[in-house]
Amino acid sequence: EPEVTQTPSHQVTQMGQEVILRCVPISNHLYFYWYRQILGQKVEFLVSFYNNEISEKSEIFDDQFSVERPDGSNFTLKIRSTKLEDSAMYFCASREGGTSHTSYEQYFGPGTRLTVT
Amino acid sequence: LAKTTQPISMDSYEGQEVNITCSHNNIATNDYITWYQQFPSQGPRFIIQGYKTKVTNEVASLFIPADRKSSTLSLPRVSLSDTAVYYCLVGDKFGNTGGFKTIFGAGTRLFVKA
Repeated sequence: EPEVTQTPSHQVTQMGQEVILRCVPISNHLYFYWYRQILGQKVEFLVSFYNNEISEKSEIFDDQFSVERPDGSNFTLKIRSTKLEDSAMYFCASREGGTSHTSYEQYFGPGTRLTVT
Repeated sequence: LAKTTQPISMDSYEGQEVNITCSHNNIATNDYITWYQQFPSQGPRFIIQGYKTKVTNEVASLFIPADRKSSTLSLPRVSLSDTAVYYCLVGDKFGNTGGFKTIFGAGTRLFVKA
């Protein structure tokens, strides 16, 4: 069964450093998402991406964050200057386009645990 | 935006049927109700979606009354491996709550005991 993959599984970085979290969505999917989940808290929407541009972003997704789909398969989230409060699990998700009965399911990756020290 | 309210946690025993109710009093005419499941240290996983009446798949059933102001996720004969957080989302068919934004609430933590 196709799945969303994410690398690395765990990233430790120092405050102020840049990090890039990588995701490979399911190959025929057209909509891509990033979420974060601080330990013990709910899943928070960060950004959605379609047709090579951001469709929607939350108030969390400020100028320190950016997303890119550099090569048609990877989907990346960059945090330019990490803060302690960026420590969280980051999930990538993807969804098909179209209107089939499966097209509305978001498929989530296993997550990258980001620890900022 | 339609806000959802779910119990914070529930306990059950193996083999029992579990019903988790979600309130969404200001659901809009075009809104669908979607449930996701999340195991510890994993991403959420789609369970079921419905608009009205009853929907059933191989994992769960979803009951939606005529006024659609609430919905109930029913898990038949739960096992220990059903211990997870269950999220009720209200939005369009694609899970969007305005634009392409998907909003998760706090969810319900289900503990299944032996």
